[in-house]
Amino acid sequence: GQQVMQIPQYQHVQEGEDFTTYCNSSTTLSNIQWYKQRPGGHPVFLIQLVKSGEVKKQKRLTFQFGEAKKNSSLHITATQTTDVGTYFCAGVKEWAGNNRKLIWGLGTSLAVNP
Amino acid sequence: KAGVTQTPRYLIKTRGQQVTLSCSPISGHRSVSWYQQTPGQGLQFLFEYFSETQRNKGNFPGRFSGRQFSNSRSEMNVSTLELGDSALYLCASSLYVRNTEAFFGQGTRLTVV
Repeated sequence: GQQVMQIPQYQHVQEGEDFTTYCNSSTTLSNIQWYKQRPGGHPVFLIQLVKSGEVKKQKRLTFQFGEAKKNSSLHITATQTTDVGTYFCAGVKEWAGNNRKLIWGLGTSLAVNP
Repeated sequence: KAGVTQTPRYLIKTRGQQVTLSCSPISGHRSVSWYQQTPGQGLQFLFEYFSETQRNKGNFPGRFSGRQFSNSRSEMNVSTLELGDSALYLCASSLYVRNTEAFFGQGTRLTVV
């Protein structure tokens, strides 16, 4: 079936180091969304990428969508303790009749040592 | 605008019992999805409802069921609870049109003893 693989599963960094998480889909996606879940919290939408090769930035976060629309990455520059949490990607498949399906990665849990 | 509201926030049930969880989406949102989250398992999709119709369903046994009402509020029911059903159950609402994100509620923490 359709899958989105997300790596790494865990990442432990020193504050100030960079961090990257990757998502790879077995099929071409319509678009991809990224969410962040703080410990004890619920997933919160970060961004959506729609176009092939798209790159978007939010302050220290850089999101990329691959040319084939099958992979994506989230890069955080100079991590801070506020970046702690689990980052999920959700691949979106859309088809005729206003049908849509989200395929979730398992998430990457980021821990930051102060 | 009020966010997604899930009730109850916490629940303790005994094996074999049944439970009903409730989700009120953001006003105007007609799509409601349910997820089960356990440590290390990410978000496991249960089902999605749009305009009272189930649009998508995940790979969960028939003990898990749901419904959506005309006001878009949704309920999820789990019958014959098992210990493995202990999890955080998250509800997410969206407009269900292209290029829209999901807004999650704070979840219901279910513990089965």
